[in-house]
This record gives sequence, C-alpha cells and structure tokens, in this order.
Amino acid sequence: GQSLEQPSEVTAVEGAIVQINCTYQTSGFYGLSWYQQHDGGAPTFLSYNALDGLEETGRFSSFLSRSDSYGYLLLQELQMKDSASYFCASNQAGTALIFGKGTTLSVSS
Amino acid sequence: NAGVTQTPKFRILKIGQSMTLQCTQDMNHNYMYWYRQDPGMGLKLIYYSVGAGITDKGEVPNGYNVSRSTTEDFPLRLELAAPSQTSVYFCASSFRDSTFEQYFGPGTRLTVT
Repeated sequence: GQSLEQPSEVTAVEGAIVQINCTYQTSGFYGLSWYQQHDGGAPTFLSYNALDGLEETGRFSSFLSRSDSYGYLLLQELQMKDSASYFCASNQAGTALIFGKGTTLSVSS
Repeated sequence: NAGVTQTPKFRILKIGQSMTLQCTQDMNHNYMYWYRQDPGMGLKLIYYSVGAGITDKGEVPNGYNVSRSTTEDFPLRLELAAPSQTSVYFCASSFRDSTFEQYFGPGTRLTVT
C-alpha cells in the first residue's frame, strides 16, 4: 500500500529549531510536499522537493532523500504562530497528493 | 482573486438525506480535488478532475459523486448520507504542471446524524 509516516506530536520553545520527519512508501513517486494547517483552517502549501537535497524558504527548509524514502521539514527561529499541524504529502504520478496523518507542533514561550 | 470558495461552511444532515457541496475557483486551474479530513487525521482524496468533463476516483470515493462541467466549478454530491460521512470536506485546485502545490478552500464541516 501507499503510506507516509510522520510523528504525531512535537513540542518546542520559541526561538528553537525543530525537525519533522516523514518516511514514505508510495508508488509513482514524483516528490514530497509539505503543508501547514492551523486549527480550524485550511492547509496551505509550504515547500516541495522533487530532487534530493535541501530547499530553503525563509525560516523553513525541506529535505528529501529518494534513496532512503525520507524527507524532513526544518523550522528555525520558532514563533508562537508556528503552532499548527504539518503534513507531508507524496505527489503521485504528477496528478494527486497522498497525505500523511500530520504532526502537531506546539510552540511554548 | 477569491481563490477557492466553498459553500456551505457548515451543514447538518439526517441519515439518508442528500446534498451537494459547492466548490469554485477563479485561478484558471486545470486540476481540482475533493478531500475529506477526519479529526486528527490527514486528508483523504475522494475524487479529482484534470479538466472539464474528466473526473477520476481517489482513495475514498464510495458514497460520493462528482461532475465538472466548467473549469471553475467542481461540485461534490453526497447521496444517502451516513454517519461515516461526518467530516470536514476540502476542495482544492492546482495548475497541471504544479500538482504538488494545491490551493485549498476554507472547508465545509458536515455532520450526519
């Protein structure tokens, strides 16, 4: 079957760095996306990796290793507003996304 | 640009009733999607469409139907609602060449009792 595994919860303090891991077992893999979802809100796109390596977008970075079927989202200089759920999603054959169950990040002061 | 809009925001249905969830996008996106999200879970793909007149099943299509007569609109039909369909429904859209970056509507919170 197709699945993505990520930790269910992560906690951190303001100003810290946190890494959210995602391992995947999917067919027709094109790349790995990351989405953020605040409580009661809609998912919003953060980052995408089609190739191995690190992609940096401001305080957020995302990494992919195709050989290890593994990726991570790195959040730096954490702020309270970063408290949210983060989902990795596998791009299937370039047409649809398969989502992981999400990681809830709680940032405390 | 309004982006992706969904109506209604909330709805309570009785078992066996039917309804249509509306979704409209004004970004001229080719691809549109319907997901459901149960509490504490990720999003499950119900149906998707790669263009007007073309639809395909996702992971959890049973109990739902879709149509796509225009680029802008992608309604989701629930026939004979069941408690298992209690969920939050999200519509999303993307360009053909960037399906990894989807734009989501605000969601419809549906309760079936």
